Amino acid sequence: AQTVTQSQPEMSVQEAETVTLSCTYDTSENNYYLFWYKQPPSRQMILVIRQEAYKQQNATENRFSVNFQKAAKSFSLKISDSQLGDTAMYFCARSDGNKLVFGAGTILRVKS
Amino acid sequence: GAGVSQSPSNKVTEKGKDVELRCDPISGHTALYWYRQSLGQGLEFLIYFQGNSAPDKSGLPSDRFSAERTGGSVSTLTIQRTQQEDSAVYLCASSLGGLAGVETQYFGPGTRLLVL
Repeated sequence: AQTVTQSQPEMSVQEAETVTLSCTYDTSENNYYLFWYKQPPSRQMILVIRQEAYKQQNATENRFSVNFQKAAKSFSLKISDSQLGDTAMYFCARSDGNKLVFGAGTILRVKS
Repeated sequence: GAGVSQSPSNKVTEKGKDVELRCDPISGHTALYWYRQSLGQGLEFLIYFQGNSAPDKSGLPSDRFSAERTGGSVSTLTIQRTQQEDSAVYLCASSLGGLAGVETQYFGPGTRLLVL
């Protein structure tokens, strides 16, 4: 089975600091899409950022950026200037045809 | 506009009973997806609809699970003869046209199912 692996079950970061969440994946496709979703305690999944595999430039959305290493099949998420509202479960996902394949998630706690 | 809505928010049922979970996608979205999130795990794909058809139902775990979509809008996920291992959060998502990689999937808040 083609999988998505998030090796950090839990992470903590001080408010205003930077944290990086790791994600590796397996695929035999050349073109695909990668996503980071955030799930706060409310359970509402929210798209944080997405990356198209054929684009070498790393995607950036305000305080969120990715480090996409296609050859290594690595897709890490960097959160700069962490805020209390960033506390959530973060899921990495890869497109697979008409569906998304998700990692097990990383719980991120931002401390004041 | 309204996002994806799901009902009920929470459902407690007894083992062996049937349950129906409902999803209202974003208006105009032709693609609809069901996922299951078990405790401490990521999301597991169940089924994908394009319009009223389900071209990919490969994730349904057993024949006790079925889903339908009517009018290209509302979808119902039915679990028959529920088992305790069915306890999970069931998430619905929709997207504009169904290309999972190209389009963003918008998720509902989920239904938390507890089977006693």
